This record gives sequence, structure tokens and C-alpha cells, in this order.
Amino acid sequence: DAKTTQPNSMESNEEEPVHLPCNHSTISGTDYIHWYRQLPSQGPEYVIHGLTSNVNNRMASLAIAEDRKSSTLILHRATLRDAAVYYCILRDIGNSNSGYALNFGKGTSLLVTP
Amino acid sequence: SQTIHQWPATLVQPVGSPLSLECTVEGTSNPNLYWYRQAAGRGLQLLFYSVGIGQISSEVPQNLSASRPQDRQFILSSKKLLLSDSGFYLCAWSVGLQTPQETQYFGPGTRLLVL
Repeated sequence: DAKTTQPNSMESNEEEPVHLPCNHSTISGTDYIHWYRQLPSQGPEYVIHGLTSNVNNRMASLAIAEDRKSSTLILHRATLRDAAVYYCILRDIGNSNSGYALNFGKGTSLLVTP
Repeated sequence: SQTIHQWPATLVQPVGSPLSLECTVEGTSNPNLYWYRQAAGRGLQLLFYSVGIGQISSEVPQNLSASRPQDRQFILSSKKLLLSDSGFYLCAWSVGLQTPQETQYFGPGTRLLVL
């Protein structure tokens, strides 16, 4: 899978929107962009994924750049419960081995302050 | 709805002792199952995955092994634990054919400390 780059940490105030960036300049045409998050002492949790178009679900929105070299996870109104490490992951069917593992990098640690 | 269970939640074991961690999934059939490990301050690393009963693929050579005796049961084992086996062990499941859209669902994890 292609590589992603995320800031190590970000901080937000409670009830404000949060924009978490992810750069993936080597993305291929068949790579899907996935976001997971991991709350403290818990297993990762799926957030959202997309290919080309922007996506919305009950948890967040995913904005994908037109050239697909970057994307942004948007939490519309951060709560204290959103404090977690957010992982941006690219997934491709390219080879049979890469399809099975989620390649978690270091992610972005989001701190939400009251 | 589907749920995934892992036990025990925490475990403290001496070096050289055996290990058995269990993962079960409810509410789905023929899931793909995964074992990941997260060492302190590091990312998640895939250890094993299984697409069916008795079918186990290993991603990282080590002193751990995995088994899938039943469709929705996945077991992680070791005959002799090493200090480096300490970490947070996560089981995950997914359904369907391998696709780039596949979503994996993780269990609550087992925190293992080897002393």
C-alpha cells in the first residue's frame, strides 16, 4: 500500500470542528482511503472510507482532494470522547498479501480540551 | 448485530510460560479473522490472519502460533513467552471477499505483560 503522512498531534476545543489532514502523494488509482481511530486503551474503530468523492456518515466527513494526493477527516463538532489517535490508511487490491493487513502508521493524536 | 469478544482482558505471565488468548465473533458467518499486536509506543502489527477453519497465514515469524478450531473462534498461543511478547493483542474480523473497501472490526483487546 502507498504511504500516508499525518501530523503527530493536533489540538481542538470542545464543540469546534476539527480537520485532520492526510497526505498520500503516491496514491494509486485503485487505492481506497480509510480512516480508523483508536481511543485510549481500546481497539481501533472504523470511521469512514472513500475513493474519489467526498463521503459523509454519522461519525465524520471525508473530503478528498481532486488529485487524490491528500484528504481531510472532518469532525464537525469535537467532543471529549473524540480524543483518540486517528489513522489514515490506503488500501489496494494490488497484491493478495497487502489486502489482509491494515497498515497502521503512527497516526495523529487528537487532544480535545473543554 | 455482530460482536467480538476477547479474553482475558489483562494478563501477567512469567517468561517461559505458555499463552492462550481467545477471540470469538458472534452474529456473522465465515468471517475473516486477524490477530494484531501493538507494542508499547508502536503501531499495530498484523501477526496472523485466517479466511476459514484451519486456514492460518502468518505475517511475522515468531514464537507465537494461531489456530481456528471453529468458524468464529480464533486462538493465539505460545509455548514459551518472551519479554518481547508484551503488548496489546487485538483480534479483528471482516466479512466478504478481500477488497479495498473491506472494513475490519476490532475487539477490546488483551493487555499482556511478560515479566
